[in-house]
Amino acid sequence: GAVVSQHPSRVICKSGTSVKIECRSLDFQATTMFWYRQFPKQSLMLMATSNEGSKATYEQGVEKDKFLINHASLTLSTLTVTSAHPEDSSFYICSATGPSGNTIYFGEGSWLTVV
Amino acid sequence: GQQLNQSPQSMFIQEGEDVSMNCTSSSIFNTWLWYKQDPGEGPVLLIALYKAGELTSNGRLTAQFGITRKDSFLNISASIPSDVGIYFCAGLKDNYGQNFVFGPGTRLSVLP
Repeated sequence: GAVVSQHPSRVICKSGTSVKIECRSLDFQATTMFWYRQFPKQSLMLMATSNEGSKATYEQGVEKDKFLINHASLTLSTLTVTSAHPEDSSFYICSATGPSGNTIYFGEGSWLTVV
Repeated sequence: GQQLNQSPQSMFIQEGEDVSMNCTSSSIFNTWLWYKQDPGEGPVLLIALYKAGELTSNGRLTAQFGITRKDSFLNISASIPSDVGIYFCAGLKDNYGQNFVFGPGTRLSVLP
């Protein structure tokens, strides 16, 4: 099946700094990627939909200036958490629409810890 | 986006038992997807269903696309400890991967 990879898998950053998480589709082109946040023992919370070559669409309540999303190529979307605070610590997951358009594949997830 | 309904929310079963969980919605979907998420990892696709009434197996897993296109179930036979995790369903309304919703998940615990 199609493979989606995230990097880094774990990152620790200082409060006030910015951190970037990458999401790559390894063996297919993904015009649409999605970013989620997941708190412990909870479901996935969709943050934004990332479309190649255009601005991301953010879900209600998600600050677009804080969570910058860039989808500059058909195989890469990035999420940058700007001016990170401890409350931004979470598990961030991306997904991409597969080649057939009717399946979604997830990345491995990235643990962000802000200290 | 909006969520599907999944039941049960959580379940504790003995190793070797069969498991059944389902996913329901008031809306019609063209595709149903089932995922499993292990702790600290991203969800992994288990089974994809594309036709109403379709019954598909993947090893000990069997899933069906409901005739009304508003529901789907997932069965796991002869459960083993590594079946522990959260099982998510997802429904797609189109074939472009844009219009989809996720269920809240069913948390499965397997007791030895």
